Amino acid sequence: QQQVKQSPQSLIVQKGGISIINCAYENTAFDYFPWYQQFPGKGPALLIAIRPDVSEKKEGRFTISFNKSAKQFSLHIMDSQPGDSATYFCAASEVGSGTYKYIFGTGTRLKVLA
Amino acid sequence: DTEVTQTPKHLVMGMTNKKSLKCEQHMGHRAMYWYKQKAKKPPELMFVYSYEKLSINESVPSRFSPECPNSSLLNLHLHALQPEDSALYLCASSHPLSGIGNEQFFGPGTRLTVL
Repeated sequence: QQQVKQSPQSLIVQKGGISIINCAYENTAFDYFPWYQQFPGKGPALLIAIRPDVSEKKEGRFTISFNKSAKQFSLHIMDSQPGDSATYFCAASEVGSGTYKYIFGTGTRLKVLA
Repeated sequence: DTEVTQTPKHLVMGMTNKKSLKCEQHMGHRAMYWYKQKAKKPPELMFVYSYEKLSINESVPSRFSPECPNSSLLNLHLHALQPEDSALYLCASSHPLSGIGNEQFFGPGTRLTVL
C-alpha cells in the first residue's frame, strides 16, 4: 500500500513534443505529491508539487494533473527541450502524519532528441 | 541562501577507514535527511532528524552513524563500510511546518566509493 508505481521506465521524445510521465498510488492518506528532476551525478531538484485539493497545477512548461478518484497523477512537459533530458521521480507523502517520509516512484529516464 | 551544501563531493575509502560526510543548510529548516541512492534507483531514506532529534532510522546498519550538532548541520559518520555501500549519499532538508507541503530540498550529494 505504500508503493508509488511510475511509468514508463524510459521515454524518448522529439524536441518540441509533449513528455508525459504517470504515477499511481494506493494509500489514500497521501496528501502531497512532488515531482523531482535529477541530472546525472546531481541531487534531485524539486520541479513542481500538488496537494489533492486541486486537479491541476502549472508552472511554466511543467503541469501536474491529479485524479484523486483514480489515485493517479502525471507530469506533462510541454515543448520538451534537449535540456529536459534527465531522470524524473514522482513521490508521495503524508504531510498530515508528520512523518516527513517520501515514497518515491522508480523513476523515468527522459531523453529529448534535438 | 536557498541551498543545501554537501562535502566532500567525492570520497574513496577502504573498508577499515573512518570518514564523515557533512551537510549544511541555512534556510531555517528544522528537518534534515540522509538518503542513499544507487545507480538508476530512487533515493532510499536512511535517517530523519526533526528539531535536532533523530526521528526516523530506516533500519540502517550501525556502520552508518548520523549526528545533528545543530539546526544547520548534519553529519554521517562512516566506519567499516562494505563495497556494496558505494553509492551517492544525499542530504535534504525541509521545513516541517510548511503551509504547502513537505518540500524537501536536496544537496548535490557525495559520491562514495568503498574499496
